[in-house]
Formats: sequence, structure tokens, C-alpha cells
Amino acid sequence: AQSVSQHNHHVILSEAASLELGCNYSYGGTVNLFWYVQYPGQHLQLLLKYFSGDPLVKGIKGFEAEFIKSKFSFNLRKPSVQWSDTAEYFCAVKETGRRALTFGSGTRLQVQP
Amino acid sequence: DAGVIQSPRHEVTEMGQEVTLRCKPISGHNSLFWYRQTMMRGLELLIYFNNNVPIDDSGMPEDRFSAKMPNASFSTLKIQPSEPRDSAVYFCASSRRTFLPGRPNEETQYFGPGTRLLVL
Repeated sequence: AQSVSQHNHHVILSEAASLELGCNYSYGGTVNLFWYVQYPGQHLQLLLKYFSGDPLVKGIKGFEAEFIKSKFSFNLRKPSVQWSDTAEYFCAVKETGRRALTFGSGTRLQVQP
Repeated sequence: DAGVIQSPRHEVTEMGQEVTLRCKPISGHNSLFWYRQTMMRGLELLIYFNNNVPIDDSGMPEDRFSAKMPNASFSTLKIQPSEPRDSAVYFCASSRRTFLPGRPNEETQYFGPGTRLLVL
């Protein structure tokens, strides 16, 4: 079965630090890839998505992610985090031919002022 | 445009009671998904509908759970009887499945605010 791994469970950074959150998946076929963010007490919001084409995708709020097919990875990056980026970040994968999203366990990001 | 709407936002009930969660998908979306989020299991799909028809309910935990979509703008998830282990946040998501030439699988799910359920 498909699995999605987010190895960083809790990340603490100071403002202006650079961020990279890891995401690896196990499916060998074609996939659609997503990053969602969940601010405290709020719903999941789409940060960015990859379907095909340029493996470097840019999302909202200065986030970007790079799809590396050979590594089955879709890491999320931001060059300079802000306190308002404090949230939980979920990587999600959809296999071709399936409708359901498989989510990683999430990474809780805490940005200290 | 309004996003996915869920009600209630919070529900506290006692074990054995019936719980009904409601969802209104984004207008024009033809697929609707129910997910459950818990600390132990993370986010997991319970059931999804395509054009109001249940397609995959393999994630529904047991017969106490049922879901319906009587029309394109409304869905319910019912738990009867509820148990403390059902305590979780229940999210509804919707998407518009299109079949564009050369891009048949591009689909984005948009999530509602969730219903936080506590069963005592």
C-alpha cells in the first residue's frame, strides 16, 4: 500500500531561518503531489501542488517544493520563515487511478520570534 | 466564492447518541470526500462520492458509520451509536474531476473547516 513519510515531526526555527521539510512516498507509478498547511484550529489549506512538468513548483506565501522522481521525494522549502508560518504541514500523494489522498503524519513547525 | 462548509464546527455528545455531521461542497465540484483526523492515525479517508454516488467506503470503520449524498450540494456523515473512540476531527473535502486531454488525472481537493467531535 502507498505510504507517505514525513521524517521531521517537530521543527523549531527562528524567524528568517530557512526551512526544508522532507516528504517521501512509496508508490512507483505516476503520482500527484500536494502540500497542505493547517494553522492552529483551522482547516487544511492548499500550499502547492505538482501534477506534471517543471519539478520545481511554487506555492503561496513564498513556499516552493521540488519533485525528485528518482528519490520519490517532494520536499517543501522556504528561504526565510516568519512567525506566522507556525502551523502543521502535511504532504499528500494521490496515485494515478485512485481518488483518495494519502497523507503523511505531518510536521509541526514552530517559528520563534 | 464560498469554500467547503461544514456544520457543526464542534460537537460534544455522550456515548450511545447519534451524531450527524453535515457538509456542503464547493459549487460545481462533483466529488466529495470525508476524512477523519486523529492523533493516532493521522488523516484517513472514510468514504468518497462521485456525482453523488458512493464510490469507495472501504475506510468507514464499521457499520455504526454511514454517509449519504442526496444531492450535489449536501452530504451527511452519521455515527449511530457514537463511542468515545470516535472522537476526532472530521473533514469534508470536495473536488472537480475533469478529463482534460493529456491531463486526465489533475484533481485538487479543497477542505472544509472540520467538525471537532468529542464523545464522552
